[in-house]
Amino acid sequence: QKEVEQNSGPLSVPEGAIASLNCTYSDRGSQSFFWYRQYSGKSPELIMFIYSNGDKEDGRFTAQLNKASQYVSLLIRDSQPSDSATYLCAVYSGGFKTIFGAGTRLFVKA
Amino acid sequence: KAGVTQTPRYLIKTRGQQVTLSCSPISGHRSVSWYQQTPGQGLQFLFEYFSETQRNKGNFPGRFSGRQFSNSRSEMNVSTLELGDSALYLCASHTGRGNTEAFFGQGTRLTVV
Repeated sequence: QKEVEQNSGPLSVPEGAIASLNCTYSDRGSQSFFWYRQYSGKSPELIMFIYSNGDKEDGRFTAQLNKASQYVSLLIRDSQPSDSATYLCAVYSGGFKTIFGAGTRLFVKA
Repeated sequence: KAGVTQTPRYLIKTRGQQVTLSCSPISGHRSVSWYQQTPGQGLQFLFEYFSETQRNKGNFPGRFSGRQFSNSRSEMNVSTLELGDSALYLCASHTGRGNTEAFFGQGTRLTVV
């Protein structure tokens, strides 16, 4: 079992819709959870982080964490073609090592 | 505030050679992590350095090594290159003060032929 799992996609949504990206992790002691966006040919950039159970909203983005289910998700409201990218889920469980999922490719159709 | 600087951006090497990649973190950041990114495997953790000390290492062979200097700049070295080492090598800068948000450089694209 991989430590951090994501559906590779591609996830295709129409412009203006809600995109829902999901991630599961195996270490129950995980402390911090991150979502990075990576455009093709570019490096990842941090868009959200969450430490506590529940929801965290930042503009059109909402991160959701459920530690009991070992599940973290990212919702993108009013999706735009510029949101088309690969979204990486990352989990920190201590030991100065952050584990990344393989990423979900999102395609927003205009 | 300058971002994370990785050099060189592109490299082409032949099998058996060695290569050294450089990373300068954000000013004031004392922690640097290195990752290998390939299409099939995603980002794989190589190692993390803080104040010139390696605090963790991923599951890579001993051909992969790194170091950090007193100014927080870091280098990674790959010896006896193999075709499978072709990848994007990313450096991430962290404050090192407990939080783990990563700020990535543009990466070094290594091609081994």
